[in-house]
Amino acid sequence: EVQLVESGGNLVQPGGSLRLSCAASGFTVSSTYMSWVRQASGKGLEWVSVLYSDGTIYYADSVKDRFTISRDDSKNTLFLQMNSLRAEDTAVYFCARGRKDSGGWAFLDYWGQGTLVTVSS
Amino acid sequence: EIVMTQSPAALSASPGERATLSCRASQSVGSNLAWYQQKPGQAPRLLINGASIRATDIPARFSGSGSGTEFTLTITSLQSEDFAVYYCQQYIRWPWTFGQGTKVEIK
Repeated sequence: EVQLVESGGNLVQPGGSLRLSCAASGFTVSSTYMSWVRQASGKGLEWVSVLYSDGTIYYADSVKDRFTISRDDSKNTLFLQMNSLRAEDTAVYFCARGRKDSGGWAFLDYWGQGTLVTVSS
Repeated sequence: EIVMTQSPAALSASPGERATLSCRASQSVGSNLAWYQQKPGQAPRLLINGASIRATDIPARFSGSGSGTEFTLTITSLQSEDFAVYYCQQYIRWPWTFGQGTKVEIK
């Protein structure tokens, strides 16, 4: 059974840092795409970052140069290091697994329950 | 970036009725379109990928159609558990982008 469990969310001051974790089970994170998606309270979904199995990484412009996605294959865990946090980064952060369709394009098939990040003084 | 626009923003319907949700892309995404369902306090759940392929364990009352820039999610005979917010998402080009959501409410 595929499971994704996020942790690390907390209250942090503007300009601060936080590291989110996403522990995976039922599959190997290094074998597929893994992504972070966030959702501010009462708002829609916003894609944040993706890490391919081959190490290719993409970021949304809103987090580029501040956030870093990575994984620890030995722990089967995905991470999101968030630096220079701003009030507008306040959201629930979901990790999600990407799966390729027959055409080679990846969509998100399993999501964790999310972890809340609050940036406030 | 590709802008995804969903309509209507909210839809009121009674159990047993049919619901039709629309999603429009600002440029062609081919069939690289997914639909997700989200209930309050829960993670999104994949319903449809490839514009029309139901995900595992998704009931047949959910169906997706369209290609290019115009897509539709149809829920035939709404059940109580279907009242939720639905999002479309394109996955052909970075950044991946979502629509703003359609809330399906009980009339």
